[in-house]
Amino acid sequence: GENVEQHPSTLSVQEGDSAVIKCTYSDSASNYFPWYKQELGKGPQLIIDIRSNVGEKKDQRIAVTLNKTAKHFSLHITETQPEDSAVYFCAASRATGGFKTIFGAGTRLFVKA
Amino acid sequence: SAVISQKPSRDICQRGTSLTIQCQVDSQVTMMFWYRQQPGQSLTLIATANQGSEATYESGFVIDKFPISRPNLTFSTLTVSNLSPEDSSIYLCSVPQGYYNEQFFGPGTRLTVL
Repeated sequence: GENVEQHPSTLSVQEGDSAVIKCTYSDSASNYFPWYKQELGKGPQLIIDIRSNVGEKKDQRIAVTLNKTAKHFSLHITETQPEDSAVYFCAASRATGGFKTIFGAGTRLFVKA
Repeated sequence: SAVISQKPSRDICQRGTSLTIQCQVDSQVTMMFWYRQQPGQSLTLIATANQGSEATYESGFVIDKFPISRPNLTFSTLTVSNLSPEDSSIYLCSVPQGYYNEQFFGPGTRLTVL
């Protein structure tokens, strides 16, 4: 079946440093790649997404890059803050035609003050 | 984005009983999804709840164990039946919106089975 692999499973950084989370997907027809942040006791929250017609998207301290040829995409968080500590999930889906979303295993990010 | 609420937020249940989880959306949506998130794990799709038709279940999930109702376009329930400790998880509903079907999640229901 379709699969999304996510690395690393755990990431610990010092406040102010950057954090990078990487994902690869198997379904070449995927054209939508969202990222979710899940804080303790809450549901996942969509923080940024990228569509297959662009290679990079930025929103303040968060950026995502997409390499369709290699079928991988990454989340970059700059100037990390303690409130960035959470579990991050990448996902891949198709916009049309039975758009089941496949989630990565998650990355637990710790930002040390 | 849609505002989604779930009830209960958490519950502790005895083995063999059932728990019904409610999901309410502040706007009409065609599809609603139910996910299970086992402790420390990712999200696994249980089923898609469509208004006016039977829910569509993913491999490994059956209607007898996870019956779903979808009485209107803003509400759905998921029942987890004949509970066992292995059912201890967070259960989440979500709705897709927009052309790319961006998914928005409810806050989740944390179930503990003793």
